[in-house]
Order: sequence, then C-alpha cells, then structure tokens
Amino acid sequence: DAGVTQSPTHLIKTRGQQVTLRCSPKSGHDTVSWYQQALGQGPQFIFQYYEEEERQRGNFPDRFSGHQYPNYSSELNVNALLLGDSALYLCASSLAVEGPRNSPLHFGNGTRLTVT
Amino acid sequence: GQNIDQPTEMTATEGAIVQINCTYQTSGFNGLFWYQQHAGEAPTFLSYNVLDGLEEKGRFSSFLSRSKGYSYLLLKELQMKDSASYLCAVRPDSWGKLQFGAGTQVVVTP
Repeated sequence: DAGVTQSPTHLIKTRGQQVTLRCSPKSGHDTVSWYQQALGQGPQFIFQYYEEEERQRGNFPDRFSGHQYPNYSSELNVNALLLGDSALYLCASSLAVEGPRNSPLHFGNGTRLTVT
Repeated sequence: GQNIDQPTEMTATEGAIVQINCTYQTSGFNGLFWYQQHAGEAPTFLSYNVLDGLEEKGRFSSFLSRSKGYSYLLLKELQMKDSASYLCAVRPDSWGKLQFGAGTQVVVTP
C-alpha cells in the first residue's frame, strides 16, 4: 500500500521560471493539501483540493495554483519564481469522510525546490 | 494574530522523559495534532486531541487544555531514534487546513 508519493524529489529553477510539482495521494484518500516548509520552520498551508476543486487557501499569492484530477492526484504550479520560493513543498492526503481522528494527514517526503 | 509557539530545541538523555509544550492562539479550534519529522523526511502523525485531557499511545502521550490554549507532548523512555523535530499543529476550522508551529528539535544523547 503506497503512501503519498511526490515528484520530483529535487528541482533547481531560475528566478522567473515556472514549476510544476506532482503528488499521488495514499491509496483510498480523496483529499490533497499542499504545504510549503522553509528551512527550520513548520509547514505553511498553501491550499486543499477535494472533488477536483480548491476548497481552502492559505495566504499565498495567485502565482501558486493547483489542480486535482479524477484519480485524486494533484499538481502544484508556481509561476514567476522568486528566490523566496525556495523551500520543501509537502503534499498531504486524507479521506474526508473519516474525519481528522481516523484519517489524519499523511505527508509525502516532499519536493525540495531551489530557486537561483 | 494567530500564533503557535513551541520551544526551539530540547536535549535529553536516552531513557529519560521529555515534555514539549505548545501554546496557541488561533481564530478557531477544531483539534490539535502532534507530528514527528526526521531530517529530510515526511512529517508522521503522532497524536490528535480535540477534548481536554490526556491521550496515551505507547511511549507518547499528549495533553490538551482548550481554556488555556495549551498542549504538551510527553515522550517517555527516550530512544536515540526519537531525535527529530516535533511539530504542534492546530486545525482552526472543520476544513482540513493545519496551522503549524515552527517545531521543537529534540536531541537525545547517550
């Protein structure tokens, strides 16, 4: 039973470029959330997808966008990259109907994005 | 504002007990989570509290006081593999968003 898988594991981009990160949720999960984790900090919520729609969004600019596909996998897109976007991007999944006690967030190992 | 505060680092000896405190001020409260994160790895779920009191799960226990905006994670019989960052997170509403503290780095020494 595969857990949350993310690709790529590492990525180096230049300022101003665009990037797409991918996530496959844990088998049986239908909700995907994305978090940004700077070095030495806790994860910061970017947005959550459920039933292919963005349901909740954190304090991130419109340069950050996403998508969820019918198979529940998800993408995070970041346009016009800034040096400050360098971080670990974590994807997390859960099963909405189970609630937080029975289906807490399961995180992937993340994509380490470096913007130069 | 919204704050989740926890100590930056704690050091303890193998076999000892460590208590990691977390205080929070958030726009709402719909549960508090503790996660463990080893360097370079994914955060892994440890505990969930939504009502006041103590939840025990093996060597780990978590306590919540909603009136005080306070929680702690208790790690007993510390092992070297417990060296990691411990993240306190609050779910402010019924949606899935979690607000995380900066994490407490626990160093276990022989």
